[in-house]
Amino acid sequence: AQTVTQSQPEMSVQEAETVTLSCTYDTSESDYYLFWYKQPPSRQMILVIRQEAYKQQNATENRFSVNFQKAAKSFSLKISDSQLGDAAMYFCAYRSSSGTYKYIFGTGTRLKVLA
Amino acid sequence: NAGVTQTPKFQVLKTGQSMTLQCAQDMNHEYMSWYRQDPGMGLRLIHYSVGAGITDQGEVPNGYNVSRSTTEDFPLRLLSAAPSQTSVYFCASSYQGLGTQYFGPGTRLLVL
Repeated sequence: AQTVTQSQPEMSVQEAETVTLSCTYDTSESDYYLFWYKQPPSRQMILVIRQEAYKQQNATENRFSVNFQKAAKSFSLKISDSQLGDAAMYFCAYRSSSGTYKYIFGTGTRLKVLA
Repeated sequence: NAGVTQTPKFQVLKTGQSMTLQCAQDMNHEYMSWYRQDPGMGLRLIHYSVGAGITDQGEVPNGYNVSRSTTEDFPLRLLSAAPSQTSVYFCASSYQGLGTQYFGPGTRLLVL
């Protein structure tokens, strides 16, 4: 069975600095999707970035980028120029590209942004 | 498009009561799912559906029932509420081929 691990329950970053959130996963599949979701205090789950496993190029979305290491089964999120609005829970998620299409979530990392 | 909608936003139940959490999406997504979110445990999958008439159990299905009679709706039923079911419940949907899952705003449930 697939698993997703976020080993950092909480992280802090100074405003305008860069922070990296870690995520590792375990799977025997070769094709899958990986996601980072942001959950602000409003509780709404917001997609930050997604990565298809067959793509070697790391995905980027403005200040957000990932470091996807398929062989190491690692999928970290880098937030550049951190802003106060980035403060939230961040969840890493995995989804197979075939079969039951179930999503597996990590336990989350709470990011605090210090002014 | 309204996206994924959930009702109610907040509900208080007494132990043993039953209720249905409603979820609807207007994006014609095949895949729909229910999660519960508890502190320190992330999102855990309760039930999911890959299309109308097809449902399956997730990681924590006990105490919950689902059905999928239409593509748009995926209600979650609590048969006999227990305090352990106090949680925040999220419904989500996606195209099976594209992967990205869209979430509803959540329902906060308190069972006394």
